[in-house]
Amino acid sequence: QSALTQPRSVSGSPGQSVTISCTGTSSDVGGYRYVSWYQLHPGKAPKLMIYDVTKRPSGVPDRFSGSKSGNTASLTISGLQAEDETDYYCCSYAGSYSYVFGSGTKVTVL
Amino acid sequence: EVQLVESGGGLVQPGGSLRLSCTASGFTVRSNFMSWVRLAPGKGLEWVSIIYDGGSTYYEDSVKGRFTISRDTSKNTLYLQMNSLRAEDTAVYYCARLIPPAHFDSWGQGALVTVSS
Repeated sequence: QSALTQPRSVSGSPGQSVTISCTGTSSDVGGYRYVSWYQLHPGKAPKLMIYDVTKRPSGVPDRFSGSKSGNTASLTISGLQAEDETDYYCCSYAGSYSYVFGSGTKVTVL
Repeated sequence: EVQLVESGGGLVQPGGSLRLSCTASGFTVRSNFMSWVRLAPGKGLEWVSIIYDGGSTYYEDSVKGRFTISRDTSKNTLYLQMNSLRAEDTAVYYCARLIPPAHFDSWGQGALVTVSS
């Protein structure tokens, strides 16, 4: 199972919006509405930010939103803040009781 | 409060074995889907294995036949037995709870496994 494709990095100024793409195939992202997104700060436990493409867990700011079109899912961070600067990973169910993660994207706040 | 704490990481030679533990609190391991995910240096997250509440287990292709996921209900602990370790298994290993159908809602802080001679 190949990793989902994410841009290596995206950047934006405070208050701006950034969007991270996550491209897979019809066997994973395109085949299910089971895409989730995770935030990884170094040395900390990964944090769930979005699940089932668009749903936001309680406690996650509404600045974070998810969407999907075809084989590509996206995470948008609106009103970018300094604390958003870190790594983000997408994940999709890939059938046959398996899961596949993305290659990871570093978000930089300029 | 849901909490997951990994232990058992360390330095091991190629071909060696290591067992990771993940002790859970705030919920019952046996009643949940539990998984291992790893983050190798310079690479992205990679799903490794999962055990369903009924006991069925599944593995990523590169670890099949070498890694075994299991649980001890009396200790509310998840395990990952890793045999025939390779340099490419070097990573931080996280345990995570999966909420069906497919998202990981709780994670541990990770255990570092280094495979090197």
